[in-house]
Amino acid sequence: ELKVEQNPLFLSMQEGKNYTIYCNYSTTSDRLYWYRQDPGKSLESLFVLLSNGAVKQEGRLMASLDTKARLSTLHITAAVHDLSATYFCAVSRRNFGNEKLTFGTGTRLTIIP
Amino acid sequence: DADVTQTPRNRITKTGKRIMLECSQTKGHDRMYWYRQDPGLGLRLIYYSFDVKDINKGEISDGYSVSRQAQAKFSLSLESAIPNQTALYFCATSDPGQGDYGYTFGSGTRLTVV
Repeated sequence: ELKVEQNPLFLSMQEGKNYTIYCNYSTTSDRLYWYRQDPGKSLESLFVLLSNGAVKQEGRLMASLDTKARLSTLHITAAVHDLSATYFCAVSRRNFGNEKLTFGTGTRLTIIP
Repeated sequence: DADVTQTPRNRITKTGKRIMLECSQTKGHDRMYWYRQDPGLGLRLIYYSFDVKDINKGEISDGYSVSRQAQAKFSLSLESAIPNQTALYFCATSDPGQGDYGYTFGSGTRLTVV
């Protein structure tokens, strides 16, 4: 059974600082996704990582994937208040032709001015 | 209009009542999913459908049923609602066959069972 663990669960950081959210998964996967969710809102897709060594960047967020270590990271550079949200990683895995998305528990990020 | 529309947005119902949550999409995707979100647990898969004739149970299907009425419509039913089914429910679509590996989520339905 595929398990996805994120840490930390809660993160409070000051504006201007850098930090990293970690996502570990238990079995081989096909793709790894990062989503952002604002309170009471839907999930917004941030990144899809398809292969080992993949790195994608958008603004102050950068995601990377190491399939050998079964680890993805979401790095936040010089955080700003607008980045406050809950961030989820999710892993997709094909099993006999059925592909399912398994989510981590989420990291609630609060940026303090 | 949103690509994935869920109705209702909010619903309060009594224990033992039957309730249906509806999802419709304009993405033209074959695959549709129902997820449940509880605080601290992330999203968990309830049911998924890869085409109109295909229905599969997810990790937490007990107490739920689904109907795929058309490619664009996927409904989730709670036959006899109970308080621990209080949660935020999301419908999602995907279609890797179109070369787009992304999933599109609806805005969610907040269900409260009292």
